[in-house]
Amino acid sequence: EPEVTQTPSHQVTQMGQEVILRCVPISNHLYFYWYRQILGQKVEFLVSFYNNEISEKSEIFDDQFSVERPDGSNFTLKIRSTKLEDSAMYFCASSQGSGEKLFFGSGTQLSVL
Amino acid sequence: GQSLEQPSEVTAVEGAIVQINCTYQTSGFYGLSWYQQHDGGAPTFLSYNALDGLEETGRFSSFLSRSDSYGYLLLQELQMKDSASYFCAVGGYQKVTFGTGTKLQVIP
Repeated sequence: EPEVTQTPSHQVTQMGQEVILRCVPISNHLYFYWYRQILGQKVEFLVSFYNNEISEKSEIFDDQFSVERPDGSNFTLKIRSTKLEDSAMYFCASSQGSGEKLFFGSGTQLSVL
Repeated sequence: GQSLEQPSEVTAVEGAIVQINCTYQTSGFYGLSWYQQHDGGAPTFLSYNALDGLEETGRFSSFLSRSDSYGYLLLQELQMKDSASYFCAVGGYQKVTFGTGTKLQVIP
């Protein structure tokens, strides 16, 4: 069964450093998403991406965040200058139709020290 | 904005039936989804309702009433492996917003 893959599974960084989280969505999916989840809390929407541009973004997704689809397969989330409060599990997801069945990757656990 | 409410915790006995309710407020509603998440894992899609009524997938069923902004997930013949968090999620235009999650504990 096709799956969404994310790398790395864990990322440790120093406050103020840039990180890039990588995702390979399912190949025939058209809609891509990033979510984050702080331990024990809900899954929070960050951004959706369609047709090579951002469709929707939340108030969390400020100027420190950016997304890119650099080629036909990868989808990346960049945090320019990490803060302690950025520590969370980051999930990439993709779907065939808008807002329907989302397939999630296994996540990247980001720890900012 | 969007808000979803669901109970924070539910405990049920193995073999029993449990219902997890979800009420929502949203602008722009496409459908209601349910996801399961085991500790340390990723959310996994369970069901999606775009129209009113009941959708059945094996032991899991999901119901939606758009006029009441209400839905529920029904789990039958509970198994120990069903112990997990369950999230309702509202689908809007290119955005899916998750509820706070219900932690289900299945006991022997």
